[in-house]
Order: sequence, then structure tokens, then C-alpha cells
Amino acid sequence: NAGVTQTPKFQVLKTGQSMTLQCAQDMNHEYMSWYRQDPGMGLRLIHYSVGAGITDQGEVPNGYNVSRSTTEDFPLRLLSAAPSQTSVYFCASRVMGEGSRELFFGEGSRLTVL
Amino acid sequence: SQQGEEDPQALSIQEGENATMNCSYKTSINNLQWYRQNSGRGLVHLILIRSNEREKHSGRLRVTLDTSKKSSSLLITASRAADTASYFCATVNTDKLIFGTGTRLQVFP
Repeated sequence: NAGVTQTPKFQVLKTGQSMTLQCAQDMNHEYMSWYRQDPGMGLRLIHYSVGAGITDQGEVPNGYNVSRSTTEDFPLRLLSAAPSQTSVYFCASRVMGEGSRELFFGEGSRLTVL
Repeated sequence: SQQGEEDPQALSIQEGENATMNCSYKTSINNLQWYRQNSGRGLVHLILIRSNEREKHSGRLRVTLDTSKKSSSLLITASRAADTASYFCATVNTDKLIFGTGTRLQVFP
């Protein structure tokens, strides 16, 4: 199993450009989420989804859009990149249901906005 | 704002020593989880403790939870150089998993 796959691994953008970070999982997990990780800040939840067609905001949703058209994919869109969005982005998934079980993480996408 | 705060922020020990990391959180939880992150990699789940449990063991890991104090601790016994990593607690309330700021552990051979 590939688990959680994120692409691209590295990306450099100019301020104002748009892009999409891709996330795909092959574990049939209903729950998927996006986090950003900044030095000294730990991981902060951007958006999450509990199933296809359902998304919700996390702690820091501004500047990001998500959609969930299939169980497998959960792309994160930056419509107009800003330097403050320079960060490492992690996608994670898990099963739903009792116990809110462990999250499985991708290897991260490092984004630099100039 | 983040739910969990780890303490200490950084910890350096010798191989064979025990490492203790603490996590405090703010609101009620369903469960609390600990994760490990090697430099430049994704997080890996270590252990989960439910809100009605007080202590849990997994190999060299021991986790305690005190819901009255809203705190948890992670003990790694007989540490190894390979335990060098950042460790994060994460609290679960309904659907969200909210992470703390992490403890950076360095184990010297």
C-alpha cells in the first residue's frame, strides 16, 4: 500500500500565484485533513473532511480552499499565494467511527512563496 | 489557538536514560494521542489513550493521562540514539485532531 501520497514535494511560487497541493490515500479512509507546520508552531489544522462531499474548517482556513469529490482525494488550493503561506503542508487520513483512531500522514509538501 | 502545549520544548539526554515529555491541554477530550516526527518526515502515531484511561504502555513507551489536570505525559525508557525526533501530543474532540507545539528530543550515544 502507498498510504497517503502528497504531490509535489517541493514548490516555489511567486506572490499572487495559485496552485493545488494534491493528496491521495489508498486506505479507504473517510476522514482526511490538511495541516501546516511552521517552526515553533507545531501543526495547525487547515481544513478537514469526514467523507466525500463534506468539508469543514480547522484552526487556520483563511487563504485555502478544499473539496472532496472522491473518498481517495483531498486537494488543497491556494488561490492567491502569500509569503505567510510559506510552510510545510501535511495531509493525513484515518478511519471514522468510535475512538477517533490514529492519523496516517503523508511525507509533506514544502512550499515557498516569494 | 492550539490545544496542546508540550514541555519541555527541547530535551537532551544520554542513551540509556529515560525521557519524559509533558502535554497540557485546554478543553475536554475524547482521547489523546502521541506522535513522533523524524526530521523532514511525516508524523507517525505512537500511542493513544482514551479519556477514561489513566495509564497505557506500549513497548518502551508509557503514557499517563490526568483529565482533572488536563495533562498527559510520555515516558520513553532506556532511550536510544534512534529515538532522536520531535514528539507531539494531539487531542481529539469530536472530529478534530489538534496538535501541540512539540518536544524536540536529542539522544546522544
